[in-house]
Amino acid sequence: EPEVTQTPSHQVTQMGQEVILRCVPISNHLYFYWYRQILGQKVEFLVSFYNNEISEKSEIFDDQFSVERPDGSNFTLKIRSTKLEDSAMYFCASSPGTASNQPQHFGDGTRLSIL
Amino acid sequence: AQSVTQPDIHITVSEGASLELRCNYSYGATPYLFWYVQSPGQGLQLLLKYFSGDTLVQGIKGFEAEFKRSQSSFNLRKPSVHWSDAAEYFCAVGSRSGGYNKLIFGAGTRLAVHP
Repeated sequence: EPEVTQTPSHQVTQMGQEVILRCVPISNHLYFYWYRQILGQKVEFLVSFYNNEISEKSEIFDDQFSVERPDGSNFTLKIRSTKLEDSAMYFCASSPGTASNQPQHFGDGTRLSIL
Repeated sequence: AQSVTQPDIHITVSEGASLELRCNYSYGATPYLFWYVQSPGQGLQLLLKYFSGDTLVQGIKGFEAEFKRSQSSFNLRKPSVHWSDAAEYFCAVGSRSGGYNKLIFGAGTRLAVHP
């Protein structure tokens, strides 16, 4: 069964540094998402992306965050200047559409640790 | 605002016992409801979904869930738990904003299974 793949599985970065989290969505999917889960807290929506533009973003997704689909397969989340509170598990998800019978498929996540 | 409540943070059951995980949602329209499972170090795997029609939905791994509109609930059940079911379980509601789905998750219920 096709999978969403995320790399790296664990990223350790110094505070203030830029970090790029990478995702390869399922190949025929058109809608892409990033979520995050701070340790011990619930999974939170960050951003959705369709047709090469952001379709919705949460209040968490401030100017430090950006997303990009640089080619036909990758979908990236960039944090420009990381803060301690950015430490979390980041999940990428994709779906073929937003219709009711097309749920989101998640990757295994990237654990981001900010020192 | 849409929200999902999972009242039980931790549940412990014996192997072979039945299981019910509770989920209550707040959503203005007919909700799209999901249960995901997260094993340690893994991503979120879809167990089952409800969009419309039969209020009792069957999922993978022997799980089922029942949508009860009058109670705003979508509880997950399994008649006989296996040790491999130990994981964290997340209930989510699909929020359609501007035509694009985002998932709003509950805080999760961590399931432990005693032999």
